[in-house]
Amino acid sequence: GDSVTQMEGPVTLSEEAFLTINCTYTATGYPSLFWYVQYPGEGLQLLLKATKADDKGSNKGFEATYRKETTSFHLEKGSVQVSDSAVYFCALYSGAGSYQLTFGKGTKLSVIP
Amino acid sequence: GAGVSQSPSNKVTEKGKDVELRCDPISGHTALYWYRQRLGQGLEFLIYFQGNSAPDKSGLPSDRFSAERTGESVSTLTIQRTQQEDSAVYLCASSSRLSNEKLFFGSGTQLSVL
Repeated sequence: GDSVTQMEGPVTLSEEAFLTINCTYTATGYPSLFWYVQYPGEGLQLLLKATKADDKGSNKGFEATYRKETTSFHLEKGSVQVSDSAVYFCALYSGAGSYQLTFGKGTKLSVIP
Repeated sequence: GAGVSQSPSNKVTEKGKDVELRCDPISGHTALYWYRQRLGQGLEFLIYFQGNSAPDKSGLPSDRFSAERTGESVSTLTIQRTQQEDSAVYLCASSSRLSNEKLFFGSGTQLSVL
């Protein structure tokens, strides 16, 4: 079945540091890939997505590239801010026949001034 | 409404009692999902509604769990004879027909079974 593995947290970075959160997946066919973010006290919200190989999703300075050859979708940001402190979830959607997103366990990021 | 609304935000109950969790999706969203997140775990799919029918109930962990939805509106997740292992955050999400992989989540119900 489908599965998503993302790096264990928590991750603590200083402001303006470079961020990478690793995500790899197992799926049948050609899934769409997503990063969701959950800020403290809020619901999960879509951060970015990519629907086919070599696509790059980007939003709010975050980027992730769909790598079919390595089945990965790592999240990166060049310079994190305190306001980026949140839990980040990698997810996939297999499409036809599947009605659900499959999520990773989440990675908690704390950015300190 | 403006977003997905869940109630209550917190629920503490005693083992063996029944609980009902409510979800109000975004108006016009035809799809509705329930997920569960146990401490330190990822989101676990429970059930999916398209309108008021549930084509995928594969994630419900036991027959103590049931859910219903009124039209394309409110959904209720019911857990009967709660057990301590049911303690988790229960998340509801909705999506539109045109963008069914983009889910909008509520803030969840934190359920604690003592």
